[in-house]
Amino acid sequence: DGGITQSPKYLFRKEGQNVTLSCEQNLNHDAMYWYRQDPGQGLRLIYYSQIVNDFQKGDIAEGYSVSREKKESFPLTVTSAQKNPTAFYLCASSRGYARKWAEQFFGPGTRLTVL
Amino acid sequence: EDQVTQSPEALRLQEGESSSLNCSYTVSGLRGLFWYRQDPGKGPEFLFTLYSAGEEKEKERLKATLTKKESFLHITAPKPEDSATYLCAVQKPGNQGGKLIFGQGTELSVKP
Repeated sequence: DGGITQSPKYLFRKEGQNVTLSCEQNLNHDAMYWYRQDPGQGLRLIYYSQIVNDFQKGDIAEGYSVSREKKESFPLTVTSAQKNPTAFYLCASSRGYARKWAEQFFGPGTRLTVL
Repeated sequence: EDQVTQSPEALRLQEGESSSLNCSYTVSGLRGLFWYRQDPGKGPEFLFTLYSAGEEKEKERLKATLTKKESFLHITAPKPEDSATYLCAVQKPGNQGGKLIFGQGTELSVKP
C-alpha cells in the first residue's frame, strides 16, 4: 500500500533535548511538508521541500530543522531553541506544486509532549 | 493578506439533518481549493479539489461547490460516522512551492 508513515506516534521530550520526527513516503512524490497543529488553530507550515537536497522555511521555522537527502524521507528535528514544542506534528506529500499536482496527502501524525 | 475562514466553528446535527459548511477565502488568483476530513488524533484525509468557480465534486453524502469567494461542503442526510473536523485549504498563487493556507476547521457532530 502506498502512503506516508510517521514515527513515533507519541514522543516525550525533556526540556533542552533535541528530538527527530521521522516521515517516509512511498508515493513517489517530489514535494514534502511539515505542519504543526495546536488546539483551536489551523495547520501551520514549518518547512517544505520541492525536491531532494532542497528545502524552504515555512511560516514558523524557528527552532526546527530538516533535511531531504532522499526523495522518500523528510525528517524534522525539534531543537531546544523551540520554546513551545508540545503539539501534534503532521507530515504531508504531493506530486509537486504545479496547479494539478498540489493535492497534499497526510501521514498519521506524531504527538510531541515536553515534560 | 491571504486568508481562509471557515464557519461555523462547530456544528451539531441530528442524523438525517442536512446542512452546509462554509469556507471563504481572500486569495487572489486561486489555484486550487481543497477539502479534508480529520478524525481526532489522526492526520487529515483528502476529500476534494476544486479549481474554478462553478465546479462541483461529490462523494457519498458530501458535495463540494466553489464560487469566486467561497466554497461550501454540503452534507446530505448525515450519519454519526460523518462526525469529524472538516478542513478547507487554498493553494497560494504563484511559485510558492504548493503551499496551502488552511482554515481553522469546522467540527461536525452528528447525533443518532
